Amino acid sequence: DGGITQSPKYLFRKEGQNVTLSCEQNLNHDAMYWYRQDPGQGLRLIYYSQIVNDFQKGDIAEGYSVSREKKESFPLTVTSAQKNPTAFYLCASSSRDQAHNEQFFGPGTRLTVL
Amino acid sequence: GQNIDQPTEMTATEGAIVQINCTYQTSGFNGLFWYQQHAGEAPTFLSYNVLDGLEEKGRFSSFLSRSKGYSYLLLKELQMKDSASYLCAVRGRGSTLGRLYFGRGTQLTVWP
Repeated sequence: DGGITQSPKYLFRKEGQNVTLSCEQNLNHDAMYWYRQDPGQGLRLIYYSQIVNDFQKGDIAEGYSVSREKKESFPLTVTSAQKNPTAFYLCASSSRDQAHNEQFFGPGTRLTVL
Repeated sequence: GQNIDQPTEMTATEGAIVQINCTYQTSGFNGLFWYQQHAGEAPTFLSYNVLDGLEEKGRFSSFLSRSKGYSYLLLKELQMKDSASYLCAVRGRGSTLGRLYFGRGTQLTVWP
């Protein structure tokens, strides 16, 4: 089955620790995206990548880092510099082969920093 | 800057029709999307408009007026399972693989 996987579903970390969230897709999509969602808020873009080995900052990139070494993978690292990291993190991907180039979302990772 | 505005909450009864509005001000426009998101789950794609007019897909329809910076999502024959958050998102000018700008979402509650 083709799709986007994020692991784990729930993640707990102590304050001051870096943590890396996994995002893998087997849809052969060129573009991948990371969003953060807080209660009652819409999706805010952290980083996105339209092609391997290239990525752009979104609206709230401070305290986060990404890499895009493979087409299938776009891991997000939440560093200790991120002041309020507890949130629901969503990964998405898209392709020009889709009719509307719509973004498909993974199931999300809920990160709680204690 | 980019501004996507939609109501925070709406309620309706089962079997009714509800219209969720979205207004936008963006530096460019290359399509408008509606997504449905159930609590704690991923958003799922509902509809896409890039030209003015109405797009119908089963119980859901979406309308766009580019000159007014306005869209609505129309849900007919409401069911309990339609209780969810509905997200309006605009793709700016440029690559079709470019970023989306999301509104805060409209939480719809359907009552029996």
